Amino acid sequence: EVQLVESGGGLVKPGGSLRLSCAASGFTFTNAWMSWVRQAPGKGLEWVGRIKTKSDGGTTDYAAPVKGRFTISRDDSKNTLFLQMNSLKTEDTAMYYCTTDLVTAVTTVSYWGQGTLVTVSS
Amino acid sequence: QSVLTQPPSASGTPGQRVTISCSGSSSNIGSKYVYWYQQLPGTAPKLLIYMNNQRPSGVPDRFSGSKSGTSASLAISGLRSEDEADYYCAAWDDSLSGRLFGGGTKLTVL
Repeated sequence: EVQLVESGGGLVKPGGSLRLSCAASGFTFTNAWMSWVRQAPGKGLEWVGRIKTKSDGGTTDYAAPVKGRFTISRDDSKNTLFLQMNSLKTEDTAMYYCTTDLVTAVTTVSYWGQGTLVTVSS
Repeated sequence: QSVLTQPPSASGTPGQRVTISCSGSSSNIGSKYVYWYQQLPGTAPKLLIYMNNQRPSGVPDRFSGSKSGTSASLAISGLRSEDEADYYCAAWDDSLSGRLFGGGTKLTVL
């Protein structure tokens, strides 16, 4: 069974930092492109960024609002995805989801974690 | 403001067919695959449609997707009360080098 379990959320002051983790199981993590998506309270979905597999270069892409402040990384030996968030702003307050699409010859399945809540407030 | 534009709300009665539109541009919908997600209150999104019109295993064939030019649509036929949810379209954008989500459409089953 595929599982994505986020952790690391909490309350942080503006300008502070936080590191989110996403523990993956039930699939070959090294072969999966991984993404972070966030959702502010009562608002819509917003893509944060993604990281490719090491075999695809391990490169990252970020949404404009977080570029230069957030860093996505992965530890394939621990099947874990990370989101390092620096210089946090109040508008970064959101539920943060870890997600991946697993593509087979016949279908695509999208997996999402349960989310971890980040609150940026003084 | 999202670059992918959806109506904020839609509604229908049980058994009806409803469609939700998603309007973009040549750098996203016009040249990339469109995806649709359903989000029930308090839960993570669920993929309904991928690659414009493909359904993942387990998604009822009441849900269908289509794309024409720089616009896409999600159709739900035989509307049920459990379809009441928020629906989001998504697509990669080459100009932004990032994935875009539409603003979301809240579907109400009357």
